[in-house]
Amino acid sequence: DTEVTQTPKHLVMGMTNKKSLKCEQHMGHRAMYWYKQKAKKPPELMFVYSYEKLSINESVPSRFSPECPNSSLLNLHLHALQPEDSALYLCASSRGGTDPRNEQFFGPGTRLTVL
Amino acid sequence: GNSVTQMEGPVTLSEEAFLTINCTYTATGYPSLFWYVQYPGEGLQLLLKATKADDKGSNKGFEATYRKETTSFHLEKGSVQVSDSAVYFCALTDIQGAQKLVFGQGTRLTINP
Repeated sequence: DTEVTQTPKHLVMGMTNKKSLKCEQHMGHRAMYWYKQKAKKPPELMFVYSYEKLSINESVPSRFSPECPNSSLLNLHLHALQPEDSALYLCASSRGGTDPRNEQFFGPGTRLTVL
Repeated sequence: GNSVTQMEGPVTLSEEAFLTINCTYTATGYPSLFWYVQYPGEGLQLLLKATKADDKGSNKGFEATYRKETTSFHLEKGSVQVSDSAVYFCALTDIQGAQKLVFGQGTRLTINP
């Protein structure tokens, strides 16, 4: 299995809602990532989990809260979002560690719209 | 810091034309280089990679050679198809920040029949 899966595919939420994005991989990877991608732009890194510990937080607002329940799962909890947070949210995974040769595998993304 | 510069798009070609998308990089160490492709409405797929100087990555008819002397990793394909229409991202990682993919701005490619 060489897939990263993400649910839901689409999500529409109001600014007062609480929702979660989910990501799963069964490749035995030990690093997992959240990216945000706006239209016509490259993905921007948000968070990195390495061996289930948060290793990188790119100064993301606290209305985004990541969670890594185990080595296969990654969640992104959303609360009190703003319309400018509407974007494609991508999850990725890689073998982990500090080897720059390790490629990242991306999921199909969740298209989030905040009303 | 590390950075990647790609040729500005959009690029429009006819089917069976030769494709080159230029990519140059700046890195303090010895980066690994990647090309990712994003089809409409989808996530990113790894197209090819090269991890040391003079390595050639290849996949699905696409090729790119890691040129340390010119700090380049240009993507080429000899004969493009309509199905190659997508956005292509050049990216790097290096030992200083192995978990951080540094992306270029992306090049939108459209192939007309």
